[in-house]
Amino acid sequence: NAGVTQTPKFRILKIGQSMTLQCTQDMNHNYMYWYRQDPGMGLKLIYYSVGAGITDKGEVPNGYNVSRSTTEDFPLRLELAAPSQTSVYFCASRFLQGLGTEAFFGQGTRLTVV
Amino acid sequence: DQQVKQNSPSLSVQEGRISILNCDYTNSMFDYFLWYKKYPAEGPTFLISISSIKDKNEDGRFTVFLNKSAKHLSLHIVPSQPGDSAVYFCAADTGTASKLTFGTGTRLQVTL
Repeated sequence: NAGVTQTPKFRILKIGQSMTLQCTQDMNHNYMYWYRQDPGMGLKLIYYSVGAGITDKGEVPNGYNVSRSTTEDFPLRLELAAPSQTSVYFCASRFLQGLGTEAFFGQGTRLTVV
Repeated sequence: DQQVKQNSPSLSVQEGRISILNCDYTNSMFDYFLWYKKYPAEGPTFLISISSIKDKNEDGRFTVFLNKSAKHLSLHIVPSQPGDSAVYFCAADTGTASKLTFGTGTRLQVTL
């Protein structure tokens, strides 16, 4: 059982380039999330999805786009990368149906924009 | 607007003693609270959670206490072990919104 898998683990982008961070989960979870963690800071929610075809903005969505065409995959797209997007990105998933449950996280993608 | 706050960025505790990590929240709609542990270069891993209908939940060496009137929760680790050295995040959820809001983390160092 792989859980939540993120690729790539590391990436260096030049200002203005675009890229997609991949996230896939094999637990049949309905909810998926993208967070970013800046040095010394907590996890800030970028986007989340409550199921295939449904996405919504989190706390810091500007500069990012997401899609959820399948239950398993939740890619995060960066258009026109900026130095402010240098961060560690975490994808997470959980199964939620009324009662609270824990979310499972991927290993993270460390992105540097130069 | 930081809805979940961890005011102590770091904590150092001797091995075998109790570690107490604190978390405060401002949103009274939060009804589910979680603690996560994070090692460097890894994703956060779930430790323990508590629903707002309870005031205490235990799992082995880990106990979470919830004080709803004070909007405060704490994580107790007894006894602390060197492997507990990590960054600990508290998180909160409203159930309906389900956005999992995180605090800024507390770095725990357990010394020998």
